[in-house]
Amino acid sequence: DAGVTQSPTHLIKTRGQQVTLRCSPKSGHDTVSWYQQALGQEPQFIFQYYEEEERQRGNFPDRFSGHQFPNYSSELNVNALLLGDSALYLCASSLLAGNTIYFGEGSWLTVV
Amino acid sequence: AQTVTQSQPEMSVQEAETVTLSCTYDTSESDYYLFWYKQPPSRQMILVIRQEAYKQQNATENRFSVNFQKAAKSFSLKISDSQLGDAAMYFCAYRSHEGTGANSKLTFGKGITLSVRP
Repeated sequence: DAGVTQSPTHLIKTRGQQVTLRCSPKSGHDTVSWYQQALGQEPQFIFQYYEEEERQRGNFPDRFSGHQFPNYSSELNVNALLLGDSALYLCASSLLAGNTIYFGEGSWLTVV
Repeated sequence: AQTVTQSQPEMSVQEAETVTLSCTYDTSESDYYLFWYKQPPSRQMILVIRQEAYKQQNATENRFSVNFQKAAKSFSLKISDSQLGDAAMYFCAYRSHEGTGANSKLTFGKGITLSVRP
């Protein structure tokens, strides 16, 4: 049973560029959430997708957008990258009302 | 809004000894979940233990157990027989269980770095 998978593992982008991160949820899960974790900080909730719609959003600008596909996989897009966007981006999957959330290994984004 | 507080930034324990990590939270809800996650240097976020607020019995997973005090809004993690592999950052997290699940995001504390001395 595959867990939560994320790609790419590491990437380096230049300020002003755009990036897309991908996530496949754990088998049987229908809800995907994205978190940003800056170095030395706790994860911060970006948004959550269920039934291909954004259901809840944290305090992040519109530069951060996402998508969920019919197979429940998800993408996180960040436009006009800033140096401060450098962080570990974690994908988490669950059932919408489930009591357990599993995380992927994350995508390390460095903006130079 | 819910808040999670981990007031101890670092702790250290001798191998084979027991250590307790503290966590308090603030909420006006009655139905919720609490979690402890472990994040080793690889940065993989690993679920350690889960507690449902409606359950009075404290959760236990092998060497890990919690002391859940709902009235005091306290949720501490006890690690028994500490092992070198337990060294990591530990995050306490809160998740609402009210409504349709639309508020199901995790709210994390700032974490505590646990080191294990051989």
